Amino acid sequence: GQNIDQPTEMTATEGAIVQINCTYQTSGFNGLFWYQQHAGEAPTFLSYNVLDGLEEKGRFSSFLSRSKGYSYLLLKELQMKDSASYLCASVNSGYSTLTFGKGTMLLVSP
Amino acid sequence: DGGITQSPKYLFRKEGQNVTLSCEQNLNHDAMYWYRQDPGQGLRLIYYSQIVNDFQKGDIAEGYSVSREKKESFPLTVTSAQKNPTAFYLCASKTTGGGTDTQYFGPGTRLTVL
Repeated sequence: GQNIDQPTEMTATEGAIVQINCTYQTSGFNGLFWYQQHAGEAPTFLSYNVLDGLEEKGRFSSFLSRSKGYSYLLLKELQMKDSASYLCASVNSGYSTLTFGKGTMLLVSP
Repeated sequence: DGGITQSPKYLFRKEGQNVTLSCEQNLNHDAMYWYRQDPGQGLRLIYYSQIVNDFQKGDIAEGYSVSREKKESFPLTVTSAQKNPTAFYLCASKTTGGGTDTQYFGPGTRLTVL
């Protein structure tokens, strides 16, 4: 089975850097996704990691350590529009489905 | 424009009535998914389909039914057997090439059962 843990809420200030952690326990690891979801809207794709290391995409970066069952999403130069829920999801064996964490609600204040 | 559409955005039904949520995609994706999201919860998988005329139960299939008669369409019926149907329902699709294929989501339907 799959188990994914991430913090429920985080707060940060505009212009700052924030790191959202995700730990997972899986019977077989096939990769990990991060999605952003604004309230009442659809999740949108941010990143996918399957190999160890850091993937950078503009202000957002995602890190994976397979040996530790750990990933994080790093958001730099925070903007008010980054206030959203961030969902961590692991790819299940067979590659056909995802298991999602409960999401981390990030609130960016002025 | 290519994408996934769900209609309606908001849906109200009386308790005991079946209701069908539509999901259409023109991305030529093989796989389609239905999720349910409750406040403070992550997405939970209801049903998925990897090919026309075939579908599998997800983690919370009880009280729901689906069909996949066309590649573009994957409607979800919430039956009266579903005990807590009020929720935000999200449809997603992806190709079936492998694990790196990203699931793309529709805008969602918020169902309220009165």
